[in-house]
Amino acid sequence: SFVLTQPPSLSATPGTTASVSCWENMLSTRTVHWYQQRAGQAPILVINSDTDRPSGIPERFSGLNYENLATLTITRVEAGDEADYYCQVWDMSRGLWVFGGGTKLTVL
Amino acid sequence: QVQVVESGGGVVQPGRSLRLSCATSGFTFTAYSFHWVRQAPGKGLEWVSFISSDATVKYYSDSVNGRFSISRDSPRKIVYLQLNGLRADDTALYYCARHRDDGSLDYWGQGTLVTVSS
Repeated sequence: SFVLTQPPSLSATPGTTASVSCWENMLSTRTVHWYQQRAGQAPILVINSDTDRPSGIPERFSGLNYENLATLTITRVEAGDEADYYCQVWDMSRGLWVFGGGTKLTVL
Repeated sequence: QVQVVESGGGVVQPGRSLRLSCATSGFTFTAYSFHWVRQAPGKGLEWVSFISSDATVKYYSDSVNGRFSISRDSPRKIVYLQLNGLRADDTALYYCARHRDDGSLDYWGQGTLVTVSS
């Protein structure tokens, strides 16, 4: 199977841009989804199918998947964006859903 | 609106069993597949199991295969996860989530806590 590698932590100041990365060899051959999990809450889908934003997710959230790296970008970071972010892929051939280890975004 | 509510967690001794329930409402239950995902204290998300909309396809992670069993009750709109042979490393918050065709999980419940301890 494969492993989705994320940096464990990231910090950003309000108003700046934060980029959360997710790495796996040939990741662009798969579809990547992203989840936000605030402290004590259930995960929320913020990006599906590499680049799509579900209804209700602000335009400040965007996604990209290119070669070996998928990226979740949050522009104009706000205090409420402080959360853990997880990438996820579906290995359809093996019937497995895989999550990255998560990145804790701290808003300074 | 879409609602997903888990229940059935608790404290259980190693080797014992537990059945988790996921009650749903606000959408056509029979049109959707579902997942169970767990999160150990202070750790990340770990996918556990999947059941298709017609219950003909079921998948399990290697860590629970042979011990856990997923099922669904369409008239009652409930998804179940039967946990057998519980171990200390099964201690986690167990989430139920709805599956989208693209492989993402779009609606999650608040989770039910399973603690395995003697």
